[in-house]
Amino acid sequence: SELTQDPVVSVALGQIVRITCQGDSLRHYYASWYQQKPGQAPILVIYGKDNRPSGIPDRFSGSNSGNTASLTITGAQAEDEADYFCNSRDITGNHVLFGGGTKLTVL
Amino acid sequence: QVQLQQWGAGLLKPSETLPLTCTVYGGSLSGYYWSWIRQTPGKGLEWIGEINPSGDTNYNPSLKSRVTTSIDTSKNQFSLKMTSVTAADTAVYYCARGLYFRSGRNPSYWYFDLWGRGTLVTVSP
Repeated sequence: SELTQDPVVSVALGQIVRITCQGDSLRHYYASWYQQKPGQAPILVIYGKDNRPSGIPDRFSGSNSGNTASLTITGAQAEDEADYFCNSRDITGNHVLFGGGTKLTVL
Repeated sequence: QVQLQQWGAGLLKPSETLPLTCTVYGGSLSGYYWSWIRQTPGKGLEWIGEINPSGDTNYNPSLKSRVTTSIDTSKNQFSLKMTSVTAADTAVYYCARGLYFRSGRNPSYWYFDLWGRGTLVTVSP
């Protein structure tokens, strides 16, 4: 099984953007989402049904429906330009999956 | 504040064995899954494998024949060994802490809440 993401997404400054992740495993696991900027380790931005770790701005939110998970940024900022990866376990629960990543450009 | 500090060989020759270790500072190994993840230059994230404090392991099927993870609860650290490396194994390697909440009726929770800073491993003759 695998997780599929659009490779590139762009958004105008201050607008809403949705990044999606599809995969059969998402019927069994909430996706988690990570932001990665060049030269840095990924950081968790969304986990579970729609949870943000401490320090993550509330413009980041998550949702799940069927085999699709979405990360939404409401009012995108310049500092949100980064790569975003989704993650879950596979259907067996024995392996961990990552989506291929989405490069977000803020125009 | 819990931190993961990782170290290991940065430059290897083809066919050598890659050793990496990750120490947990300010926290315990208990209750978590401890993973190794890598990222080739300009590419996505690839999960390598995981271990829990009981020593149970899971591996990426594509790497399973070359990878071993171990854990030392007395030193609060876990390790990775990858044998027979090639240039294709050149990547940044991360250690990470995973949380797993299984649910019967609703979707289960899985996520990495803590990452090491990464170790660049280069395989070159």
